[in-house]
Amino acid sequence: EIVLTQSPGTLSLSPGERATLSCRASQSVSSSYLAWYQQKPGQAPRLLIYGASSRATGIPDRFSGSGSGTDFTLTISRLEPEDFAVYYCQQYGSSPGLTFGGGTKVEIK
Amino acid sequence: QLQLQESGPGLVKPSETLSLTCTVSGGSISSSSYYWGWIRQPPGKGLEWIGSIYYSGSTYYNPSLKSRVTISVDTSKNQFSLKLSSVTAADTAVYYCARHHYDIRTWGQGTMVTVSS
Repeated sequence: EIVLTQSPGTLSLSPGERATLSCRASQSVSSSYLAWYQQKPGQAPRLLIYGASSRATGIPDRFSGSGSGTDFTLTISRLEPEDFAVYYCQQYGSSPGLTFGGGTKVEIK
Repeated sequence: QLQLQESGPGLVKPSETLSLTCTVSGGSISSSSYYWGWIRQPPGKGLEWIGSIYYSGSTYYNPSLKSRVTISVDTSKNQFSLKLSSVTAADTAVYYCARHHYDIRTWGQGTMVTVSS
């Protein structure tokens, strides 16, 4: 079973700053099977990035994903007020099944 | 536009069976090569995949919950369902239904289920 570890647990930044979130897998993950989500309080998660680096429909280009193998990154180039939320990475496994990382909270500094 | 809506009791007693239904609108549950799944989120915690059913009827469960989970589909009603047996307080969570393949593009709004006597 692949375990996804996200770091840091909390990221304290100001609007306009750059956010870099990490997702590390315990085994190699196909890039096609790695996604990122944003979740705000009281809402279901929203898909941001799929296939490690492709933006989902309607997602602003300040969000970008990169990485391969066991190390993946979500970058928010310039934080907008609406970007303060919790972010999860997710991989699709061969069982098949879904595995989520523990999440990174991006909070206002 | 595809929409999913969870329904079921918001309060379940310990040791009983939690039962939820997801109603699919805006598309057919049997017409596409997708999985229909359940994900839960305990209060203040992260997301946990419970299991999924493929459009063909094959089921896949989280190994940590497999002994207690059953997911089924009713194509005549365009619904799929979750049953989780022998619940404890640790099963208290928001339960989401979702359509997925490699990623999840469509989620239900979620329903809170509390396990308490």
